[in-house]
Amino acid sequence: KAGVTQTPRYLIKTRGQQVTLSCSPISGHRSVSWYQQTPGQGLQFLFEYFSETQRNKGNFPGRFSGRQFSNSRSEMNVSTLELGDSALYLCATGDGASYEQYFGPGTRLTVT
Amino acid sequence: GDSVTQMEGPVTLSEEAFLTINCTYTATGYPSLFWYVQYPGEGLQLLLKATKADDKGSNKGFEATYRKETTSFHLEKGSVQVSDSAVYFCALREGGNQFYFGTGTSLTVIP
Repeated sequence: KAGVTQTPRYLIKTRGQQVTLSCSPISGHRSVSWYQQTPGQGLQFLFEYFSETQRNKGNFPGRFSGRQFSNSRSEMNVSTLELGDSALYLCATGDGASYEQYFGPGTRLTVT
Repeated sequence: GDSVTQMEGPVTLSEEAFLTINCTYTATGYPSLFWYVQYPGEGLQLLLKATKADDKGSNKGFEATYRKETTSFHLEKGSVQVSDSAVYFCALREGGNQFYFGTGTSLTVIP
């Protein structure tokens, strides 16, 4: 089975811009979660989607949004980028039943 | 709310040394507990898990026992190798709720 795919792997954006990140899950996985990883804060949960519905949401401002498509692929959008949004954004997918999740390699976002 | 606390790093050990990384948790119910490992430049990989009290998860020589009485899930390995150098994350999930991760412990093993 192919693993979790995240695109792009690296991004450089300017403050005020917006960005869209993509995550393609392992075949058969219907749950997709997004995390922000920074050296100071560790892994912070953003949100989880299951069968196109947001199931859980973390404590991030409304500038962070996501969605999931019928093929389980998910996108995450960040609007009005701030310097503090620079981070590694990780996507994790699961079958929704076993509570296990499998992580992608991440998208490294740098905001200048 | 739920949370995970793990020991601060970084940890530096010589090859073949014994490893312990402490992890304690706070949860309202009966969570499943996990250890994930992140190698440089990669995403997290599931290392081991335990779903109920007294369960022992094990993989690649690593072990952790779910201790409900002490709300702990310490990671141990009897003899570390250079290839074990990575960041280790303790995590919990309660029911269908979100995962909660510790801040990570960086391990460096020197030959």
